[in-house]
Amino acid sequence: GQQVMQIPQYQHVQEGEDFTTYCNSSTTLSNIQWYKQRPGGHPVFLIQLVKSGEVKKQKRLTFQFGEAKKNSSLHITATQTTDVGTYFCAGRPPNTNAGKSTFGDGTTLTVKP
Amino acid sequence: DAGITQSPRYKITETGRQVTLMCHQTWSHSYMFWYRQDLGHGLRLIYYSAAADITDKGEVPDGYVVSRSKTENFPLTLESATRSQTSVYFCASSGRTNEKLFFGSGTQLSVL
Repeated sequence: GQQVMQIPQYQHVQEGEDFTTYCNSSTTLSNIQWYKQRPGGHPVFLIQLVKSGEVKKQKRLTFQFGEAKKNSSLHITATQTTDVGTYFCAGRPPNTNAGKSTFGDGTTLTVKP
Repeated sequence: DAGITQSPRYKITETGRQVTLMCHQTWSHSYMFWYRQDLGHGLRLIYYSAAADITDKGEVPDGYVVSRSKTENFPLTLESATRSQTSVYFCASSGRTNEKLFFGSGTQLSVL
């Protein structure tokens, strides 16, 4: 079945440093979504990417979808303590319905003030 | 978001008992989902529903039963709870055309 791998599993940074998490799928994806989960909270939708090579920005966050639509990345510039949490990607293969997205195991980010 | 609510927030039960987790959404979303989240792992799909009276298995359906007689409710039942079902359970919903998932606050279930 489809596998979605995320690296790294954990990342510890000093406040102000940049952070990147990578998501790699074993199969081509129709779309990829990114979610953030604060400690003790529930996942919250950040963004969805659909097009090959797509790049989207949300303030200090930059999301990319690979040309082959098999990988994606989330980059945070100048991390802040409010960025703490676990970031998940979720990808759906083509020709499958909305229920068939697979989540990666997430990257947990801690930020030292 | 307040539009999707789960109950109970915490539940402790014993092995072999039946337990039902409730999920209610007020957006009339077509799709509803049940995920489990275990320490160090992502979200694994248990069951999902595309509409009332339509359900389908996800990645880890064994030991669970769902029903969806009304669009707004999607209860998850553990027919005979096992310790391996100790987990945090999240319900989610999404619209038919927008796949953005809205998650409930979760139910932390402990099976002793």
